[in-house]
Amino acid sequence: DADVTQTPRNRITKTGKRIMLECSQTKGHDRMYWYRQDPGLGLRLIYYSFDVKDINKGEISDGYSVSRQAQAKFSLSLESAIPNQTALYFCATSDLAPPTGELFFGEGSRLTVL
Amino acid sequence: AQSVTQPDIHITVSEGASLELRCNYSYGATPYLFWYVQSPGQGLQLLLKYFSGDTLVQGIKGFEAEFKRSQSSFNLRKPSVHWSDAAEYFCAVGRPNSGNTPLVFGKGTRLSVIA
Repeated sequence: DADVTQTPRNRITKTGKRIMLECSQTKGHDRMYWYRQDPGLGLRLIYYSFDVKDINKGEISDGYSVSRQAQAKFSLSLESAIPNQTALYFCATSDLAPPTGELFFGEGSRLTVL
Repeated sequence: AQSVTQPDIHITVSEGASLELRCNYSYGATPYLFWYVQSPGQGLQLLLKYFSGDTLVQGIKGFEAEFKRSQSSFNLRKPSVHWSDAAEYFCAVGRPNSGNTPLVFGKGTRLSVIA
């Protein structure tokens, strides 16, 4: 089983719908991240959390929210999805604080907003 | 703020040929430097990293990278490419003593390998 699991792996939705992407990990890491990947733009950080009570905005947090339900779970929500949020979303974890800690990525959640 | 540039969007090499992927960074001091690889349909995996010391670092899968302070570069190399190396490669930069600021990733270089 994967150490960092993302659900769903693929989702097609319509403009205005609320979407939640979930991430769970069995690595026991405190630090979790949500990234977005777009062709030609690389990975951009959306939100990150260093423990259950800590949430931080990343480079592109507008239009997104997150919830850290437990050490092992970190969810990303799009309250009202729009087409330019169509992208591949990655969850990652690390045991050490950045920039030292190696990032461990899930396999990604591909979201299409029509 | 730090930034990282990968000048090549897409590179095609023949199997068995050597490979060099370029990465340049902008940062006032010596950053922490990383290369990650994303195989098709997969998440990213760490290839290698540089924090300090020997400027030539060895990684997994036969890759190495060299930190050159004078050129603000951290280029990734492999002497003989295998078809399984076809993937997207990301350079990332981190700032030590930055208050735990997460890494900044480059835009990636897609590697295609032909027979």
